Amino acid sequence: GAVVSQHPSRVICKSGTSVKIECRSLDFQATTMFWYRQFPKQSLMLMATSNEGSKATYEQGVEKDKFLINHASLTLSTLTVTSAHPEDSSFYICSADSDSNEKLFFGSGTQLSVL
Amino acid sequence: GQQLNQSPQSMFIQEGEDVSMNCTSSSIFNTWLWYKQDPGEGPVLLIALYKAGELTSNGRLTAQFGITRKDSFLNISASIPSDVGIYFCAGQNSGGSNYKLTFGKGTLLTVNP
Repeated sequence: GAVVSQHPSRVICKSGTSVKIECRSLDFQATTMFWYRQFPKQSLMLMATSNEGSKATYEQGVEKDKFLINHASLTLSTLTVTSAHPEDSSFYICSADSDSNEKLFFGSGTQLSVL
Repeated sequence: GQQLNQSPQSMFIQEGEDVSMNCTSSSIFNTWLWYKQDPGEGPVLLIALYKAGELTSNGRLTAQFGITRKDSFLNISASIPSDVGIYFCAGQNSGGSNYKLTFGKGTLLTVNP
């Protein structure tokens, strides 16, 4: 199957700092990528849809100024958690699709811990 | 918005036993997907279902897309310890460039050797 690479896999940061998470499609071009957030023992909650060359679409209740998304190329989307606080600690996962493949493939996730 | 009810929430079984889990929706989906997630990892696609009534197998896994398009089940036969993990169903209504998924709450599977 298609490979989606996500980095870093784990990050610990101080409150107030910003953290950037990268999501790359390694063997296909992804016009659309999705960012999810998952709390322990819970399901994945969609945060936003990242579209190459245009603004991201955020789900209701997700602050766009807090979670900055950039999809500058067909193989890379980044999520920046700005001014992180302890309540932002969570598991963040990206997924990507291609024009010819309706199946969504997921990255390996990023565990963010804000102290 | 659309919601998926996935059951059971958790299962504890002995190695070799068969497992069944299902998802129901309040509305129709065009595609049903089943994923497995290991701790600290992203979900891995197990089976994708595209047509109502479709029955698809992947090794010991079998999944079906309900006729009403509002439900799906996943069966695992002859379970082994590496089947341990969280299984998620997901519904998708693809149209244009929108492939957004709606996830069930997951089924935690524990297999005792």
